[in-house]
Amino acid sequence: GAGVSQTPSNKVTEKGKYVELRCDPISGHTALYWYRQSLGQGPEFLIYFQGTGAADDSGLPNDRFFAVRPEGSVSTLKIQRTERGDSAVYLCASSLALQTGELFFGEGSRLTVL
Amino acid sequence: AQSVAQPEDQVNVAEGNPLTVKCTYSVSGNPYLFWYVQYPNRGLQFLLKYITGDNLVKGSYGFEAEFNKSQTSFHLKKPSALVSDSALYFCAVRDANTGGFKTIFGAGTRLFVKA
Repeated sequence: GAGVSQTPSNKVTEKGKYVELRCDPISGHTALYWYRQSLGQGPEFLIYFQGTGAADDSGLPNDRFFAVRPEGSVSTLKIQRTERGDSAVYLCASSLALQTGELFFGEGSRLTVL
Repeated sequence: AQSVAQPEDQVNVAEGNPLTVKCTYSVSGNPYLFWYVQYPNRGLQFLLKYITGDNLVKGSYGFEAEFNKSQTSFHLKKPSALVSDSALYFCAVRDANTGGFKTIFGAGTRLFVKA
């Protein structure tokens, strides 16, 4: 498809489990972003990649959260030892490698931690 | 560090009337400013952006926004609201001087247009 694809669309897990969320950006977009959106809130910045490297990971809440983009395309957000407070919609976006470029968002992965 | 404030949780307007959704920002350098819209159960969609040049920016679906540097504002406007404009609107800012791509979003404003 032409848009940003995120899988799974819904994930229910138990407290303490490990979770991976996947993002497939628009072809040719070198910048990739992860955000977290809680109900009634704006997207909260987590991390962004320029190519394969994490250019800014200042939004990751703690060391249970980690993201990779090994080939500069698909990215995976990994959450270890999930907690109930991690429940949110995780949004991925991509952008052309231009400072003025707008973000193109996927529909998100809804994570529920029981 | 950059930040964005959307002072209104909700804006109510009658169909056919003009609408304004407010946004103020804070950056250390020059701002790149954006508006996005989120319809129920849909991803965020880009509406418009200000990079440089004319302070009045026109975007999708008849929306426009006015950049005001002295007031550090970037309010979203539309001359005549439609019921279908009802959605959640987010203002976002990027600091042009940091050399990075980090984009920060406001908390959002819910627009409700009644027929």
